[in-house]
Amino acid sequence: GNSVTQMEGPVTLSEEAFLTINCTYTATGYPSLFWYVQYPGEGLQLLLKATKADDKGSNKGFEATYRKETTSFHLEKGSVQVSDSAVYFCALTAYSSASKIIFGSGTRLSIRP
Amino acid sequence: ETGVTQTPRHLVMGMTNKKSLKCEQHLGHNAMYWYKQSAKKPLELMFVYNFKEQTENNSVPSRFSPECPNSSHLFLHLHTLQPEDSALYLCASSQEESRDTEAFFGQGTRLTVV
Repeated sequence: GNSVTQMEGPVTLSEEAFLTINCTYTATGYPSLFWYVQYPGEGLQLLLKATKADDKGSNKGFEATYRKETTSFHLEKGSVQVSDSAVYFCALTAYSSASKIIFGSGTRLSIRP
Repeated sequence: ETGVTQTPRHLVMGMTNKKSLKCEQHLGHNAMYWYKQSAKKPLELMFVYNFKEQTENNSVPSRFSPECPNSSHLFLHLHTLQPEDSALYLCASSQEESRDTEAFFGQGTRLTVV
């Protein structure tokens, strides 16, 4: 079946540090891949997405590249800010069941000033 | 503002009460979802509706009863809940035919069962 595995949190970094949150997936066919972010007290919102192999999604300084050969979609940011503190979810949708979004378990990120 | 509105934002209810959560979207989406988010299981899919028909029920106890009267509205009826049902309940919507489009989430209802 389809699944998403992302690194355990919490992750604590200092401001301006480099961020990587790992995400790997298992899926039949060619899924679309997403990163969602949840700020405190809010629902989830889309951060970025990639719909085919080698695509790079980017938004707000965050990037992730769809790597089919390693079945990965790692989230990166070169210099994090305190305002990036949130929970990050990796997710996929598979062609066979577009309405079933598979989420990872989430990674809580805290940025120290 | 994401286009998905949930009410109420906060709800405290006793174990013998009956209450309903409401979700509304005007994005033209045809799939709607209920998720439960708690400390133990970060994001649990509860129900999926496509074109008003329930297509997924992830072994959810019968004390949770969903209703989808049309493609814009989704309800979650609650009765005789347990304290462990306290959680953030999130509603989402998406376009079912396209796997490339994202889900839009409401801000959630924070439920406390006392």
